[in-house]
Amino acid sequence: AQRVTQPEKLLSVFKGAPVELKCNYSYSGSPELFWYVQYSRQRLQLLLRHISRESIKGFTADLNKGETSFHLKKPFAQEEDSAMYYCALSDSWGKLQFGAGTQVVVTP
Amino acid sequence: NAGVTQTPKFQVLKTGQSMTLQCAQDMNHEYMSWYRQDPGMGLRLIHYSVGAGITDQGEVPNGYNVSRSTTEDFPLRLLSAAPSQTSVYFCASSYRSRGAEQFFGPGTRLTVL
Repeated sequence: AQRVTQPEKLLSVFKGAPVELKCNYSYSGSPELFWYVQYSRQRLQLLLRHISRESIKGFTADLNKGETSFHLKKPFAQEEDSAMYYCALSDSWGKLQFGAGTQVVVTP
Repeated sequence: NAGVTQTPKFQVLKTGQSMTLQCAQDMNHEYMSWYRQDPGMGLRLIHYSVGAGITDQGEVPNGYNVSRSTTEDFPLRLLSAAPSQTSVYFCASSYRSRGAEQFFGPGTRLTVL
C-alpha cells in the first residue's frame, strides 16, 4: 500500500542553523515525490519535486530509493521558512498521498 | 487568471444540514480534487475527477458527493453534516499528468455543531 510518513510534527530551529525534514515513503512502483509548503494565511503551494532536481528558496531534497526517503534540507534556516511542510507521493494516475506534515518554527 | 477559487471561506452548519462547497478553476485543468485537512493527519483525498463527467472516490469519501459537469467546476456536497466533518477543505487542480504540480484553492473552514 502507498504510504507517506513524516515522523516529526514540529521542528524548532534557530535562524542560521541547518534544518532537515524527514519523509519516508512506501510505494511498489517508481515514485514521484513532492514537497508542498503552506505559509501562514497562504494557500498550499509546491516547493519542489524530485524529478526537477532543483533548489528552491535554498531547499533541496534527494530521493533515496534504497532508504525510501525524500528528506528536505536547507543549510541555513531563515525566519521566513517558518511554515507547514508536507511531503507527497503521486501514484500512476496523478493522485497525491500526503504525509501528516511538519510544522517548522524558525526562531531568531 | 484567478487560479483555483473556493467559496465560501467560512461556514458553520448544524448537524444534519446539507451544503455545497464550490470550487472553480480557470486554467483548463483536467484533474481536480478535494482534500480535507485535519491536525496531525495532513491532507486526505475525498474525491477526485480526471475530466468532465468522470469522478472517483478518494481515501475518505463517506458523507460527500461530487459531480463534474464542466471542466471548470467541481462542487463538493455534504449530504447530512456531522461534527466529524468539521475541517478545512481544499480544492486543487492540475494537468492530468503524474508529475504535474497541483494548484490549491484558499480553503473553506467548515464547522459542524
